[in-house]
Amino acid sequence: AQKITQTQPGMFVQEKEAVTLDCTYDTSDPSYGLFWYKQPSSGEMIFLIYQGSYDQQNATEGRYSLNFQKARKSANLVISASQLGDSAMYFCAMREGPGGGSQGNLIFGKGTKLSVKP
Amino acid sequence: NAGVTQTPKFQVLKTGQSMTLQCAQDMNHEYMSWYRQDPGMGLRLIHYSVGAGITDQGEVPNGYNVSRSTTEDFPLRLLSAAPSQTSVYFCASRSLSGINEQFFGPGTRLTVL
Repeated sequence: AQKITQTQPGMFVQEKEAVTLDCTYDTSDPSYGLFWYKQPSSGEMIFLIYQGSYDQQNATEGRYSLNFQKARKSANLVISASQLGDSAMYFCAMREGPGGGSQGNLIFGKGTKLSVKP
Repeated sequence: NAGVTQTPKFQVLKTGQSMTLQCAQDMNHEYMSWYRQDPGMGLRLIHYSVGAGITDQGEVPNGYNVSRSTTEDFPLRLLSAAPSQTSVYFCASRSLSGINEQFFGPGTRLTVL
């Protein structure tokens, strides 16, 4: 069974609008960490945001926020006020284990390609 | 601080050839790993290491060997390249203290003919 599921292979959003990228995960470990990475066409992997399983509040980093719904095992990325430079592949990932996943391996979903239209 | 470096950036091999992808980090990270990225598949873990002298297999280890003789270096060896190993390879490292992000190298694009 897939540990990380990203159901949207591709998405379009109008510049300046908000967009939500879906991510669901599967784990029986009570301690884990959830990550989002951005991969522009140049190929590098850019860390965006982290959410620990015990964190009470949703993580935010600038225009990025993580909508964490623990009971639904959902960790959607919300990008506010989309910019042309947000066009990229976005990967959701998870690390299981003690300390919010500090010891485990990072497991990735298959990604969502976001295209921002001017 | 160079971060995570990988060489070469591009490589073309013939089936059956061997080669080593180099990875180095200068952040004194205990953990290092190799991923391969194929279209529509995300990143899949090949091998990882939690310290010098310690390595373990990930999700797709077949056809690859690793070693970790120093904290800084984590080379990936293809013993007998196959077309199925055509992929983009990423090396990554992170500290095992706390919830730290994983830093990725720029990737190596490998084509096996």
